[in-house]
This record gives sequence, structure tokens and C-alpha cells, in this order.
Amino acid sequence: EVHLLESGGGLVQPGGSLRLSCAASGFTFSNYVMSWVRQAPGKGLEWVSTINRGNTYYADSVKGRFTISRDNSKSTLYLQMDSLRAEDTAVYYCAEEGDYFMDVWGKGTTVTVSS
Amino acid sequence: QSALTQPRSVSGSPGQSVTISCTGTSSDVGGYNYVSWYQQHPGKAPKVMIYGVTKRPSGVPDRFSGSKSGNTASLTISGLQAEDEADYYCCSYAGSYTYWVFGGGTKLTVL
Repeated sequence: EVHLLESGGGLVQPGGSLRLSCAASGFTFSNYVMSWVRQAPGKGLEWVSTINRGNTYYADSVKGRFTISRDNSKSTLYLQMDSLRAEDTAVYYCAEEGDYFMDVWGKGTTVTVSS
Repeated sequence: QSALTQPRSVSGSPGQSVTISCTGTSSDVGGYNYVSWYQQHPGKAPKVMIYGVTKRPSGVPDRFSGSKSGNTASLTISGLQAEDEADYYCCSYAGSYTYWVFGGGTKLTVL
């Protein structure tokens, strides 16, 4: 069974940094495109970033501040978040992509940016 | 990266049908057959209900169907059931620069 488990969320001050992890199991991680999607409190879903075998993609709202990466040997996806702002407060989900859709989602990890 | 446009809410009685629209542009919905729909119950992770405009993952009831015309995609739920009450989000591929764009979400109420 495909399973994704996010971790690394927490409370951080504005301007601070945080690294999220997403541990994958039940599938050949290296073969799949992976994404991060976030949801601010009471708001809708917002795509954050995607990584395939050789390229990375970012939403304009996080470009230059967030970095997506993967360690295929550990079947783990990462999101390094720097220069955090209050508007980055959200639940962050990782998702495994199927044929141009987000097939399996983790349960999410909560990031709160506040002083 | 403008969000796709969805109605904020729709409602229907058990057994009825409802349709949720998702309007984008020729750069996203109209330009690719990569529209997907996600169901999200409160406090839960999203779940894919439709992908590739019309395809249904295994395990999703055939009461759920998708379509597209021009820059507008639609999700139709027939034979409404109480458990269908949830938020629904459309999503479209938007090219190698913008990549993904989501709709603002629609709250479905089963009366």
C-alpha cells in the first residue's frame, strides 16, 4: 500500500527556516514525480512545488525562498523553507503524482509562522 | 498564477444531481486534458475523484463524472448521498512554468 508521511512542521518566527520531510513507502519512489501542496487555515489548496527526475518547479509565492529536493535512496521528499512569512502558515501535504494528477496524499504537517 | 474559478457553494437533496464548474483559460483548463478533481472532508487530506478530465480512479463510485468544454471543466455527482458532503477542488496542469493551478474550492451541502 502506498503511504506518505510528512514531518517537520512546527512554530517558527517570521524570517526563520524549517525543513519538511515526506517519507514514502509502498512504491518505487524514484520513478515518481512528487509535489508539495499547502492549505492555509480555512482556505483552499495551493500548489507549492514539484520535482521530477531532473527538474524542479515552484509557485511564484515561494520561488527563491523554498527548495524542493529528494533522496531516492531514502525514499524521502524534502521542502526547505527559508525567509518564512506569516502567509506561509498552512498545512503542508506531500503528494505522489500519477499521470498528471495527484494520486496519493499524506496526512499533512502544520507550519505556523508567528512571533 | 491565478486560481481557477469555482462556485463557492452548491447544494442538493439526496438522490439529486449537482454539477460543479471550474473555469480557467486556454493556458490551463483549455490547453490540456489534465484536469483533476479532489474531494476533501473536514480535517482530512484531499482524495482524487477524477483525473484526465473524465477518468475515475478505482474505488471511486461511478456517480462521479467529469467533462470539459473549452476553458471550463465540470464535475457532476449524481444520486447524491450524505457522505458526498465535502469541499471539492479542481486542478489543472498549466505548462512547464506555472505547472499546477487549483480552483478556489466548492462546498457541497447535501440537504
